[in-house]
Amino acid sequence: QQQVKQSPQSLIVQKGGISIINCAYENTAFDYFPWYQQFPGKGPALLIAIRPDVSEKKEGRFTISFNKSAKQFSLHIMDSQPGDSATYFCAASITGTRNKFYFGSGTKLNVKP
Amino acid sequence: DAGITQSPRHKVTETGTPVTLRCHQTENHRYMYWYRQDPGHGLRLIHYSYGVKDTDKGEVSDGYSVSRSKTEDFLLTLESATSSQTSVYFCAISGGPNTEAFFGQGTRLTVV
Repeated sequence: QQQVKQSPQSLIVQKGGISIINCAYENTAFDYFPWYQQFPGKGPALLIAIRPDVSEKKEGRFTISFNKSAKQFSLHIMDSQPGDSATYFCAASITGTRNKFYFGSGTKLNVKP
Repeated sequence: DAGITQSPRHKVTETGTPVTLRCHQTENHRYMYWYRQDPGHGLRLIHYSYGVKDTDKGEVSDGYSVSRSKTEDFLLTLESATSSQTSVYFCAISGGPNTEAFFGQGTRLTVV
């Protein structure tokens, strides 16, 4: 049973457009929500992360929106670029559970020039 | 880049043979993890360690064992490899609760 559900599985966006990836969770004990970016042949790398005490976090063109009541969080990539083409994973963890991360199934983003 | 080295990077092995994958870190991080990545499943936790000789099972631990005798090394062993264990295996490290996990480059394992 997947703890974090991610959608869509794949996404095609035109250059300059907005990419949106959604994740949902059930366990209200989760208190740390990172997003990872993975390029082919590489390991995932942290992109941006949020804690449930804020509803939004922005770093450059990347924004996490967090809806605690709906138990959902999403990644928005503004002005998407071909270099953003990668697989994105959302994740969640609980403080005190020995730092176990639960990952979503991933979204393969393709930004068309 | 975080100092994580996985070895080997690629391996082809036969069904029924034992296989050991190694993860070595130079960051002195307490937490170490082994994940497998398969299409449609994302990253699934196999085993993790929160200190020397302290390990625990993840969500897909059947058929795998681990050992951590030193802070810097975390070994993953497939006791008797099966075709269902063909996957890309990632090691990750983390310094503490709710801190970034750093991933290695991955090991592509093919069981024929």
